[in-house]
Amino acid sequence: KNQVEQSPQSLIILEGKNCTLQCNYTVSPFSNLRWYKQDTGRGPVSLTIMTFSENTKSNGRYTATLDADTKQSSLHITASQLSDSASYICVVNDRGSTLGRLYFGRGTQLTVWP
Amino acid sequence: EADIYQTPRYLVIGTGKKITLECSQTMGHDKMYWYQQDPGMELHLIHYSYGVNSTEKGDLSSESTVSRIRTEHFPLTLESARPSHTSQYLCASSSLVASGGGSSYNEQFFGPGTRLTVL
Repeated sequence: KNQVEQSPQSLIILEGKNCTLQCNYTVSPFSNLRWYKQDTGRGPVSLTIMTFSENTKSNGRYTATLDADTKQSSLHITASQLSDSASYICVVNDRGSTLGRLYFGRGTQLTVWP
Repeated sequence: EADIYQTPRYLVIGTGKKITLECSQTMGHDKMYWYQQDPGMELHLIHYSYGVNSTEKGDLSSESTVSRIRTEHFPLTLESARPSHTSQYLCASSSLVASGGGSSYNEQFFGPGTRLTVL
């Protein structure tokens, strides 16, 4: 069964600290993995997209890694800010059809305290 | 921020009412989607469209219906709302993006969502 599991479910950190969010997946065949940021009451916004051949990608203070062999990804946030408080969703795209299908994780709810 | 809009943002209605959730995008995307999301849960695809006059049901069974008469517009309708329909509804559209190595993927852009509460 194709699944995307994220951990931790929730995380509280102090402003300025770093954190790492985890994503494990069983989706096959694999096409790409995406990390989205979803603010409360808003739609998800794309942070990074990585294909099979990419093992790291950065977007400002966000750095995503991908290990396609172990089917694991992580999202590292550096020097956290209050505005980083949001849900971070891992999404895996399979290669089953022209578009493929997106498999969504339940997200990690990050809270940054001052 | 992507040019995709949803109205209303919040809706509270009584059981049995007919409602239409609006979604429009100005990016000229052929592909559009509707997702349902409950608090703390993953997004579930309920409808999608590959272009005008094309609509398909998604992975999660839904009593809602959709139409695609114009490229930019993808409304979702509930004929008779029930408390079980209470949820957040997210609309998205996508474009094909070329990535390195000759492959491509569909980049999805999400609207702000409609929070529906049925009493």
